[in-house]
Amino acid sequence: QKEVEQNSGPLSVPEGAIASLNCTYSDRGSQSFFWYRQYSGKSPELIMSIYSNGDKEDGRFTAQLNKASQYVSLLIRDSQPSDSATYLCAAELNYQLIWGAGTKLIIKP
Amino acid sequence: EAGVTQFPSHSVIEKGQTVTLRCDPISGHDNLYWYRRVMGKEIKFLLHFVKESKQDESGMPNNRFLAERTGGTYSTLKVQPAELEDSGVYFCASSQFLTAGLGTGELFFGEGSRLTVL
Repeated sequence: QKEVEQNSGPLSVPEGAIASLNCTYSDRGSQSFFWYRQYSGKSPELIMSIYSNGDKEDGRFTAQLNKASQYVSLLIRDSQPSDSATYLCAAELNYQLIWGAGTKLIIKP
Repeated sequence: EAGVTQFPSHSVIEKGQTVTLRCDPISGHDNLYWYRRVMGKEIKFLLHFVKESKQDESGMPNNRFLAERTGGTYSTLKVQPAELEDSGVYFCASSQFLTAGLGTGELFFGEGSRLTVL
């Protein structure tokens, strides 16, 4: 069973702090990983993609990948109330995306 | 540029009835995907079209589900007859490239069709 696991949360973070979202995956065949953000009642939208071990930064977002530990994370610096959403981790395997159930993030003003 | 559009946004039907969901992908996107999310669960892959051909339909739950993509443009997903467990949000997504490899893979999602089977 190919799985992507996320803590469902909610994860509550004060405004201005760093939010850390984590994801593990079961199939070592996965090579590409994606973080999507989904606001309530809206469609998922791509935040970050990462393919190589290490960190990838884009503005306030940093994705981290550790293939040896089968672990992907997303850091959000200077968290804003507008970052409050569900964050979905997905791993690509054989042209399919395997999704985690998502972590609900709440940024408290 | 118009995004992925789905219709209807919400459908409430009784068990045994038929429902047809429609997806219009972004123009020029050959790849069209259907996904389903049941409340509180992860998004599950249903199937993938490349143009009008079914590339992968391994996620289709059973033969009550029929997907078509006439002419490689819009797609429909028909559920007949609907069962209670079919309730959920059906997402359509499209991409210009296959979701593989470097530089490819962004899926553009529609806002989903929420199906409630009573």
